[in-house]
Amino acid sequence: EAGVAQSPRYKIIEKRQSVAFWCNPISGHATLYWYQQILGQGPKLLIQFQNNGVVDDSQLPKDRFSAERLKGVDSTLKIQPAKLEDSAVYLCASSLGRLQGQSNGYTFGSGTRLTVV
Amino acid sequence: TQLLEQSPQFLSIQEGENLTVYCNSSSVFSSLQWYRQEPGEGPVLLVTVVTGGEVKKLKRLTFQFGDARKDSSLHITAAQTGDTGLYLCAGVVAVRGTSYGKLTFGQGTILTVHP
Repeated sequence: EAGVAQSPRYKIIEKRQSVAFWCNPISGHATLYWYQQILGQGPKLLIQFQNNGVVDDSQLPKDRFSAERLKGVDSTLKIQPAKLEDSAVYLCASSLGRLQGQSNGYTFGSGTRLTVV
Repeated sequence: TQLLEQSPQFLSIQEGENLTVYCNSSSVFSSLQWYRQEPGEGPVLLVTVVTGGEVKKLKRLTFQFGDARKDSSLHITAAQTGDTGLYLCAGVVAVRGTSYGKLTFGQGTILTVHP
């Protein structure tokens, strides 16, 4: 099966500029996640969608970050305006979203590496 | 917020040695997953453990879930240079008020296996 697609792979912007990332999950995966991974650390969940509804966005800095998944498939994550500390890899993942059992494995995209200068 | 602590943070060993990575929390998880991540790529799922006390083997890798479902370990026997990478444990808990799960990661263990 095709994996999770993300674009762009790399992005360099100046602070205070805007940037957007795109994600296409695995077909049939209703749950989509955006994670932020700072170098040398584990990924931190930013937002979780179930179809086109937000399930959890408690760690999303809503003053500058926004995300949408209008048709329950593709998603975009936007940062406006960017700060130096936003430099990180932004990972998109999808899953069946089940709480129990073995079938709740996540598939991650390769990520977008953002550098804010 | 569920906190997962991994140890050690860094591990540098020679090929052929054995190693164990630990993942501990004060929270109970419905399941726990282990991922391996290489530079420039996203994490790749290695295993999911669901039942307390469960042990799973994947070739030279052995995963164990604690009886109380709060901790886990990854043991690698006879490490190879190809095992080099970032190993992440992640716990699945319910999103409050829903039947959906969300994944919380530990900070990772960077393993380097020297020839």
